[in-house]
Amino acid sequence: GQQVMQIPQYQHVQEGEDFTTYCNSSTTLSNIQWYKQRPGGHPVFLIQLVKSGEVKKQKRLTFQFGEAKKNSSLHITATQTTDVGTYFCAGFMNGQNFVFGPGTRLSVLP
Amino acid sequence: DGGITQSPKYLFRKEGQNVTLSCEQNLNHDAMYWYRQDPGQGLRLIYYSQIVNDFQKGDIAEGYSVSREKKESFPLTVTSAQKNPTAFYLCASRRTGLTGELFFGEGSRLTVL
Repeated sequence: GQQVMQIPQYQHVQEGEDFTTYCNSSTTLSNIQWYKQRPGGHPVFLIQLVKSGEVKKQKRLTFQFGEAKKNSSLHITATQTTDVGTYFCAGFMNGQNFVFGPGTRLSVLP
Repeated sequence: DGGITQSPKYLFRKEGQNVTLSCEQNLNHDAMYWYRQDPGQGLRLIYYSQIVNDFQKGDIAEGYSVSREKKESFPLTVTSAQKNPTAFYLCASRRTGLTGELFFGEGSRLTVL
């Protein structure tokens, strides 16, 4: 079936270090979205990428969508303790629903 | 405030009992979704609905049932046929179409004793 994979599963960084999570789909995506879930919370939308090769920035976060629309990445520059949480990518498929990756859990050590 | 409300937040049930989780939204969204999240794992789709009186099975629909009698409401019943029901259940809604993000409720944590 359709799958979305994410690596790494866990990432521990020192505050101030950079962080990147990668998302790969087995099929071409209409678009991809990224969500953040704080410990004990619910997923919150971060951004959507639609165009091939698209790059979007939100302050210290940079999101990329691959040229083939099958992969994406999220990069955080100079992590802060407020960045702690699990980051999920979600690929929009079949024109009806999203397939979520397993997430990357980020820990930031002060 | 517009949003999506799930209840109850915590629920305990004995084996063999059915339980219904409530999900209500006032965002005027046509599409609604139920996801299951297990510790340390991603979100798996149980059921989704694009319009009132219509719904489709997701990847893990066995042991669950839903209804969509009103646009605002999409309750999920966890039946006794669900073999491992203990999990965190998330309801979400969005406007239909290619774009538009998912808005999630705060979730319902079900524990089967």
